[in-house]
Amino acid sequence: DTGVSQDPRHKITKRGQNVTFRCDPISEHNRLYWYRQTLGQGPEFLTYFQNEAQLEKSRLLSDRFSAERPKGSFSTLEIQRTEQGDSAMYLCASSPTSGSGYEQYFGPGTRLTVT
Amino acid sequence: QKEVEQNSGPLSVPEGAIASLNCTYSDRGSQSFFWYRQYSGKSPELIMFIYSNGDKEDGRFTAQLNKASQYVSLLIRDSQPSDSATYLCAVPPGYSSASKIIFGSGTRLSIRP
Repeated sequence: DTGVSQDPRHKITKRGQNVTFRCDPISEHNRLYWYRQTLGQGPEFLTYFQNEAQLEKSRLLSDRFSAERPKGSFSTLEIQRTEQGDSAMYLCASSPTSGSGYEQYFGPGTRLTVT
Repeated sequence: QKEVEQNSGPLSVPEGAIASLNCTYSDRGSQSFFWYRQYSGKSPELIMFIYSNGDKEDGRFTAQLNKASQYVSLLIRDSQPSDSATYLCAVPPGYSSASKIIFGSGTRLSIRP
């Protein structure tokens, strides 16, 4: 399967704990995005990487959130001191090097539950 | 005003009929417009995009854009039960050069046999 993969698929954690999610984009895609989606809402943009550079970060992303893409391949999203409001589906997407970048291919997501 | 607005539905359409999904956006600088389909419990998948005023057809799907009215729609002809899903309208802001997309909250479509 050459699609976008995410790990883990599900994560249950206690409030205050740190969690880290991983995303592996489609191999020839240099653009990578993180979104958060809650029930009944569309995905909310969190951050965008082109290769290893983080070029845009949403104001929604508090200081507790950090994302990296150290070698321009896979990316990690870390949430520190989780809160119940962080419970959501975290989606990763990638898009081809050529083109506008708006044609994005999504991974299956990581569902986070904070208890 | 939300940046991208959609009627949440559910929109119920009989099998074989035309389903019409609507979306309005607030940023007059936006130049391209996307429709994603999301099945329950799955991730969004891109089904249509449109850049120019007018209609764009792809199989049973037609996207319609009216930039003056800041309105984009998706028509699904000969609706099938497999079309039952949430349809997300997605619009990149005119100011963003970093491929950021703003999604609407989606319209839930149900095709009844």
